This record gives sequence, C-alpha cells and structure tokens, in this order.
Amino acid sequence: GESVGRHLPTLSVQEGDNSIINCAYSNSASDYFIWYKQESGKGPQFIIDIRSNMDKRQGQRVTVLLNKTVKHLSLQIAATQPGDSAVYFCAEGSSRTYKYIFGTGTRLKVLA
Amino acid sequence: KAGVTQTPRYLIKTRGQQVTLSCSPISGHRSVSWYQQTPGQGLQFLFEYFSETQRNKGNFPGRFSGRQFSNSRSEMNVSTLELGDSALYLCASSLIVLAGAKTDTQYFGPGTRLTVL
Repeated sequence: GESVGRHLPTLSVQEGDNSIINCAYSNSASDYFIWYKQESGKGPQFIIDIRSNMDKRQGQRVTVLLNKTVKHLSLQIAATQPGDSAVYFCAEGSSRTYKYIFGTGTRLKVLA
Repeated sequence: KAGVTQTPRYLIKTRGQQVTLSCSPISGHRSVSWYQQTPGQGLQFLFEYFSETQRNKGNFPGRFSGRQFSNSRSEMNVSTLELGDSALYLCASSLIVLAGAKTDTQYFGPGTRLTVL
C-alpha cells in the first residue's frame, strides 16, 4: 500500500506553550492540504485545511502554514492544552486523482 | 448533521474468511474513500467511490474490493483474510461532486477494528 514513512515522531510540549508540527509532502501537484487529529480509538478529526493558492490560514488556536517551494506544511497550536494530546496527520490531496496521501503522523504529548 | 458511521465497530475473524464492512457517509456527501490504518504502515488509501463508480484505487491486492450504492452508502469486502489484514479500516466522506472540481474536506468515521486470528 501507499504510505509515507513508518516512524512516528513524538513532540512533547509543556501545557500553555505553543506547538509546531511539521510535515513534508510529496506531490507538487497537490492542491489541497488538511490537518487531522486522531485520538486513541477514534477516527481522524478534521482540524484545518488550506488550498495551494494560500500560504497561511488561521483557525481557533491553530494556524497552518504552507510553503510550496519546499513542499512543507506546518501546524501551529497556540497555548497547547492537555486535550490536544493526540496523533496529528497531514494529508495532501489532488483534484486530479481523487485521493489523499497521509503523512506518517506526529504524536503530540502535552506535559502538565 | 450526523457524522460518518461505520459498522461494525469491532470484528474478529479467522484466516481464510471473508468480511464486509459498511460505511454511511454524511448526508449529501457523494464521495466515499476507504483507508487501512496499521501502526507500521500508517494510513493507506484503499479506494474512492463517487456515484457508484470507483475512481481511484490504492496498491492493495484484489482481495480488497468495494462498492457504492445509489444512496452513497459504501461497503468494502476483504476475501481470504490474512493475519496482516488486521487493522483499523476507516471510511471518509466528502462533498466533492464533479470530476476536476476542487478537492474537499474528508470527514472520517470512527473506523472498524478488524482482528484476524
């Protein structure tokens, strides 16, 4: 099957600090990007998305940055809370192929 | 609106058996995608359906198949189960309507946890 990597990196942050989760995507033709949060035993939950004609998009406590030059995506979480502890996935999509490719995922641990 | 629902939530099968998983998308969503999630391989794309047609397929053997009904509900089937098929199978739906249209947000269901013994 298709996948991006097998190692699940972990990011540990103190409660109240900002978190930055990074993702490198593979397809320069991808035109849509999504960040998902997955808690244990649950399906991925949509957090925020961005289209390729934008560089930045903000939501509630979250910001997504897109750098198409180096094919890099990041998710910034402000004032990280214990409830933010989860695995975060980036996904790249293309309207040409009707499918999404998911990154390996990053485990975020919030330390009290 | 109700979210994506998947049934059953948990399933235990033995090698060689076959299994059918069901997915009901969000009302109005016509695109349904299936993914396999394992600790070692992450989220892997299985296939995508729109208007009862499979538009794309991932790199899985022919034992994995799916279909979509006229009400957009979808099923996937795995025949001749192997131990390695043990995984969380996720279904996601999106509003994308037309070929060539902009991609749209996928919303996931809770998944079906399949264990093959």
